[in-house]
Amino acid sequence: AQSVAQPEDQVNVAEGNPLTVKCTYSVSGNPYLFWYVQYPNRGLQFLLKYITGDNLVKGSYGFEAEFNKSQTSFHLKKPSALVSDSALYFCAVRDRGISYNTDKLIFGTGTRLQVFP
Amino acid sequence: NAGVTQTPKFQVLKTGQSMTLQCAQDMNHNSMYWYRQDPGMGLRLIYYSASEGTTDKGEVPNGYNVSRLNKREFSLRLESAAPSQTSVYFCASSAPGQPQHFGDGTRLSIL
Repeated sequence: AQSVAQPEDQVNVAEGNPLTVKCTYSVSGNPYLFWYVQYPNRGLQFLLKYITGDNLVKGSYGFEAEFNKSQTSFHLKKPSALVSDSALYFCAVRDRGISYNTDKLIFGTGTRLQVFP
Repeated sequence: NAGVTQTPKFQVLKTGQSMTLQCAQDMNHNSMYWYRQDPGMGLRLIYYSASEGTTDKGEVPNGYNVSRLNKREFSLRLESAAPSQTSVYFCASSAPGQPQHFGDGTRLSIL
């Protein structure tokens, strides 16, 4: 079965410091991986995706993610955190299922990022 | 530039009541999805529609029904609401191979 794990419920970081939000996955075949962000009382917003190619993917708001096939990880990173980055972050993997023609996603449980001034 | 619109934004029901959550998208997407979000559990797929005229069960379909009314609209119905269905419900849509776009959710409380 395909799955995504976010091992940290919360990550705390000081403004200006680098941040990492961890994600590991388990899929059959090549993974399609995504990061989404959710601000209070809002829906999820797409940050970035990995399908193929360069292992370092750049996305919105200065975020990037590093795909590591040997460690089955797709960690979200940002070189310098902002207080406004405080939000709930979700990692997701495309669910291939029985039919390969589906765009369903399997989400992790989410990691709350708190950036302190 | 509305994207995905969900109505209502908030609703309180009594156990046993029924209601329909509405979702509409203006991006001409083929696929639409209904999720529920519960603390510590992330988002779980209830139902999805890969294209107009088709619907399929997701991870947690029990107690729900859906209708893909046309390409724009995908509704979720609770026939007999239960307290376990208290949650935040999100609708999303996507084009093939592209990221999903989400609405801002319906916060549903069942007493």
